Amino acid sequence: GENVEQHPSTLSVQEGDSAVIKCTYSDSASNYFPWYKQELGKGPQLIIDIRSNVGEKKDQRIAVTLNKTAKHFSLHITETQPEDSAVYFCAASNYGGSQGNLIFGKGTKLSVKP
Amino acid sequence: DAMVIQNPRYQVTQFGKPVTLSCSQTLNHNVMYWYQQKSSQAPKLLFHYYDKDFNNEADTPDNFQSRRPNTSFCFLDIRSPGLGDAAMYLCATSRVPPNLYFGAGTRLSVL
Repeated sequence: GENVEQHPSTLSVQEGDSAVIKCTYSDSASNYFPWYKQELGKGPQLIIDIRSNVGEKKDQRIAVTLNKTAKHFSLHITETQPEDSAVYFCAASNYGGSQGNLIFGKGTKLSVKP
Repeated sequence: DAMVIQNPRYQVTQFGKPVTLSCSQTLNHNVMYWYQQKSSQAPKLLFHYYDKDFNNEADTPDNFQSRRPNTSFCFLDIRSPGLGDAAMYLCATSRVPPNLYFGAGTRLSVL
């Protein structure tokens, strides 16, 4: 089955700097890769996603890149702000295939220092 | 406006005493999921309903059961909670998998 590895487990940056979180997946049939942000005491919220027919997607300060050959994808946050502090989860899914449910990485705790 | 609502937010139960967690949704999504999330870990899928069709994950203990009486509501029943079942339980919904909308979760403590 699918296995998703996420690094780093913790990340601390200064306000205004960029943050990068990386994930690798094992199942080459995976075709959908969302990123979730979980703030303290809340459920995860989808912030951006990418499908396997696209190499990069951007939404304001957030971007995601996908390298299908290497089976890895990354989240990039530019101009970080204190409100970006949260736990971020990557996930992978073979949507439409035998493993349509999301498999999550273990999460990255991002701290943005003012 | 909360679209996936979980009650209660915090639940304390005694070892071995049955407990039920509830989830409701206003999105009219046909798929509802229950995840278990332990501290500093990724959410782990327990089971999900695709309409009325129940799908259990292979490694979900028999101690965990679920009911979905209608589109809007889904319940998680833990028949005999153990100390290892203390966790955050997350309900999620989707219209077209795998885009998930999560509730705020119920934090379960077992004494």
